[in-house]
Amino acid sequence: AQTVTQSQPEMSVQEAETVTLSCTYDTSESDYYLFWYKQPPSRQMILVIRQEAYKQQNATENRFSVNFQKAAKSFSLKISDSQLGDAAMYFCAYKDYGGSQGNLIFGKGTKLSVKP
Amino acid sequence: EPEVTQTPSHQVTQMGQEVILRCVPISNHLYFYWYRQILGQKVEFLVSFYNNEISEKSEIFDDQFSVERPDGSNFTLKIRSTKLEDSAMYFCASSVNTPWDEQFFGPGTRLTVL
Repeated sequence: AQTVTQSQPEMSVQEAETVTLSCTYDTSESDYYLFWYKQPPSRQMILVIRQEAYKQQNATENRFSVNFQKAAKSFSLKISDSQLGDAAMYFCAYKDYGGSQGNLIFGKGTKLSVKP
Repeated sequence: EPEVTQTPSHQVTQMGQEVILRCVPISNHLYFYWYRQILGQKVEFLVSFYNNEISEKSEIFDDQFSVERPDGSNFTLKIRSTKLEDSAMYFCASSVNTPWDEQFFGPGTRLTVL
């Protein structure tokens, strides 16, 4: 069964600095999706960035980028120029590409604090 | 911007009681999901729903759980006889057309079973 592990329960970053959140996963599949979701306090989860496993190029969305290492099964999120609004829980998630599996498999999350 | 909404935000119930958690998915979405997160644990998939039937369910989704789309807008999760271990945050999500599209999440319902 697929699993997702986030080894950092909490992280802290100074405003305007860069922070990297770690995620590792385990799967026997070769085709899959990986996601980072952000959940601000008392708000819904929103998608930050996604990566298709067949793409070698790392995904980038403005200040957010990933370091996808398929062989190592590692998928870290880098937030550049951190802003106060980046403070949230961040969840790494996995989804199979094929078959009927549509459900997301989540890690336990990393709580990111941003210091002014 | 369209959002998934959930009601109530917090539900307190006695063990053994039935609860219904409600969700309004984004209007043009066709796939619907329920997830739950027990405090301090991972968000876990419960069930997906498409074309008025369950598409997939996890081992958590036993006979005590059921889902329904009673009308064109609502999507509900019913727990027939709640247990203490059902206390969790329950998230509804929806996606446009296929399970591979982005899932949009609601804010969650916190269920407390006493």
